[in-house]
Amino acid sequence: GEDVEQSLFLSVREGDSSVINCTYTDSSSTYLYWYKQEPGAGLQLLTYIFSNMDMKQDQRLTVLLNKKDKHLSLRIADTQTGDSAIYFCAESNKYGGATNKLIFGTGTLLAVQP
Amino acid sequence: DVKVTQSSRYLVKRTGEKVFLECVQDMDHENMFWYRQDPGLGLRLIYFSYDVKMKEKGDIPEGYSVSREKKERFSLILESASTNQTSMYLCASSLGLGPGTNEKLFFGSGTQLSVL
Repeated sequence: GEDVEQSLFLSVREGDSSVINCTYTDSSSTYLYWYKQEPGAGLQLLTYIFSNMDMKQDQRLTVLLNKKDKHLSLRIADTQTGDSAIYFCAESNKYGGATNKLIFGTGTLLAVQP
Repeated sequence: DVKVTQSSRYLVKRTGEKVFLECVQDMDHENMFWYRQDPGLGLRLIYFSYDVKMKEKGDIPEGYSVSREKKERFSLILESASTNQTSMYLCASSLGLGPGTNEKLFFGSGTQLSVL
């Protein structure tokens, strides 16, 4: 069935790198996504990777995709206190015809210690 | 910037009440979604709509209904609220021009509903 799994909590020190991991089940997903939810806010799209790519870099963010193991990771370099948030991994999935829907993971709470 | 506005940030209702949660988006998006967010469970899709007056059940539609009379507005209705519907409700929209745009969701800030 559909399942996207993440660890629930990660604590890092300011300036260190953070790595948030995710495993997914649907190998036909065209895109895989990372969303960020800051306290008291809705989710916002952080970055995404096309399924035929292995890596995507966007400033301090690096997304790695291992299709064989169905493993996605988000690395945040030089983590700042402003990066403290919940990070959701999501895969797209066909749902009733042409419409795609997102399957979200449980979210990883990233706590950045000063 | 796309703006998705949910009418209430916090809502307290009693068991058995009919509850309306309203959501409006201002970017002419085709798709709109209602999720609920619970600790340890992530986001679960309740209903979505890909066009005016069209609706599709998500993964947990029981106890909910929706209405989309106008493109910009998508309402979630709890016919008879129950305590297990206490949750954070998130509305989202997406452009809807096919894969790659369908899944780039823009979210509202959420409505924390407490049913007593």
